[in-house]
Amino acid sequence: NAGVTQTPKFQVLKTGQSMTLQCAQDMNHEYMSWYRQDPGMGLRLIHYSVGAGITDQGEVPNGYNVSRSTTEDFPLRLLSAAPSQTSVYFCASSYSWRGAGTEAFFGQGTRLTVV
Amino acid sequence: AQKVTQAQTEISVVEKEDVTLDCVYETRDTTYYLFWYKQPPSGELVFLIRRNSFDEQNEISGRYSWNFQKSTSSFNFTITASQVVDSAVYFCALSAFAPGGATNKLIFGTGTLLAVQP
Repeated sequence: NAGVTQTPKFQVLKTGQSMTLQCAQDMNHEYMSWYRQDPGMGLRLIHYSVGAGITDQGEVPNGYNVSRSTTEDFPLRLLSAAPSQTSVYFCASSYSWRGAGTEAFFGQGTRLTVV
Repeated sequence: AQKVTQAQTEISVVEKEDVTLDCVYETRDTTYYLFWYKQPPSGELVFLIRRNSFDEQNEISGRYSWNFQKSTSSFNFTITASQVVDSAVYFCALSAFAPGGATNKLIFGTGTLLAVQP
């Protein structure tokens, strides 16, 4: 049982490049989300999904796209990377969005640097 | 608006000291959940505890204890007899019901860096 798996762990991008951060979970969780962690700001929600085919924006969605074609996968796309997107990105999943308060399981994080 | 405030940016203690990490939250919802997560130097986020708004009982787990007080909107975390392995960033988070249904959106505080010196 792998839990939540994020790839890659580290990435350096040039300004303007695009890339996809991968996230997969094997717990059959309905709810998946992406957060970014910046110094002094805690974790902020980028996008979330309550099930396959359903996504919505979080607090800081600009510059990012998501899709959820399967229950297991929730990739995060950076369309045109900017230095302001230098951050640590975490994917999380939890059993059900209907029962608010279920424990969130986090991936190991992706450290992204945009130069 | 929902908000979580962790006013202590950094705390440094000597091993075996007790330490309390403060968490103050704001929400207008009557049903909500509070969490603590630990982020050790390796970077992963580790779930520590969940508490719902209807359960004000304090909880103790080994050297860890949590004090939930709705009257002051606080959910403080105490480590008794701290150890070097407790060195980490600790995050308090809030999850609340949204109009139209529940959500697991977590609102995090900015975290408290705890350094336990040997």
